[in-house]
Amino acid sequence: GAVVSQHPSWVICKSGTSVKIECRSLDFQATTMFWYRQFPKQSLMLMATSNEGSKATYEQGVEKDKFLINHASLTLSTLTVTSAHPEDSSFYICSAIQGTYNEQFFGPGTRLTVL
Amino acid sequence: GDSVTQMEGPVTLSEEAFLTINCTYTATGYPSLFWYVQYPGEGLQLLLKATKADDKGSNKGFEATYRKETTSFHLEKGSVQVSDSAVYFCALSASFGNEKLTFGTGTRLTIIP
Repeated sequence: GAVVSQHPSWVICKSGTSVKIECRSLDFQATTMFWYRQFPKQSLMLMATSNEGSKATYEQGVEKDKFLINHASLTLSTLTVTSAHPEDSSFYICSAIQGTYNEQFFGPGTRLTVL
Repeated sequence: GDSVTQMEGPVTLSEEAFLTINCTYTATGYPSLFWYVQYPGEGLQLLLKATKADDKGSNKGFEATYRKETTSFHLEKGSVQVSDSAVYFCALSASFGNEKLTFGTGTRLTIIP
């Protein structure tokens, strides 16, 4: 199957700083990627849909100025958490659509801890 | 809006026991239904899917049947193994997984030898 990677796998930062998380499709091109957020013992909540070469589509309630998404190439999407605060601490997961398999493939996730 | 209600865990079973994890959904139209599995330290992996009513998805001994009349997609396995220990997520999408997924809360399964 197709492989999606995320970097970093975990990050700790101070309140007020910005953090960038990368999502890469390693062996396929992905015109569409998704970003999810997972709270402890809760489900994955879709944050936004990232489309290569265009602006991301954010779900209701997600602050687009706080969670900046850039899909600069067919293999890379980035999520930047700007001016992070402790309530932004969470597990962030990306997925990418692989056209041949007609399926979403998920990255391993990035755990963000804001102190 | 669309929603998925999943059996709450955690679930602990002995090896070779029968497994059922319940999943019901609310959606407009005719969604596709999925079960994803998340092993410790890994990303979500598609376990099985069904795209229309009465379809049965199956993989690795797991099965689930798309029941439109009861809006359900329960996951079953006849004889679980220790290696099946993971978190299982039921999910739906408007079409064939190419659109956004709506997930249930996940069920943590632990199999005891």
